[in-house]
Amino acid sequence: NAGVTQTPKFRVLKTGQSMTLLCAQDMNHEYMYWYRQDPGMGLRLIHYSVGEGTTAKGEVPDGYNVSRLKKQNFLLGLESAAPSQTSVYFCASSSRGFEGYEQYFGPGTRLTVT
Amino acid sequence: GQQVMQIPQYQHVQEGEDFTTYCNSSTTLSNIQWYKQRPGGHPVFLIQLVKSGEVKKQKRLTFQFGEAKKNSSLHITATQTTDVGTYFCAGPGSGGSNYKLTFGKGTLLTVNP
Repeated sequence: NAGVTQTPKFRVLKTGQSMTLLCAQDMNHEYMYWYRQDPGMGLRLIHYSVGEGTTAKGEVPDGYNVSRLKKQNFLLGLESAAPSQTSVYFCASSSRGFEGYEQYFGPGTRLTVT
Repeated sequence: GQQVMQIPQYQHVQEGEDFTTYCNSSTTLSNIQWYKQRPGGHPVFLIQLVKSGEVKKQKRLTFQFGEAKKNSSLHITATQTTDVGTYFCAGPGSGGSNYKLTFGKGTLLTVNP
């Protein structure tokens, strides 16, 4: 049981390049999330999904797109990377527990845009 | 929108000293969650509080949920070097979106051995 996995772990992009970050979970969770973490800013929600085939915007969605074609996978795309997108990206998943939605996080992807 | 604020932003203690971080929400929460992130790691769920005035303990960690369900605290007794990391509180959304969490900016705890 791997939990939540993310690929790649590190990536360096030049401004204007595109890339896709992959998140996979093997816990059969309905809900999946993409966050970015910047120093002093905490975790900010980019996009999320409440089930296969659905996506929705979070707090900071501009410059990103997502897809959830399969329940276990949640992809985050950057079409034209900008230096402001240099960050650590975390994927998380959750299901409805007895009292709430505990989130399980992946190990993160450290992205640098030059 | 909902805001979750944490203080202090940083706390440095000597090993064996106590530590407390406080979390305040702009709205009443149905529950509050706490996460820990070790340096270079990812956030890991610690606990969830649901009831007004609830207190839960995990070894040296004591979590409290305020009576008005708008604030919470995490207290660590006799800190150890293994407690180093950033502690986040998080509150769920309202109006049927309680699967989304709003995270505080976290309190970074460093411990001098």
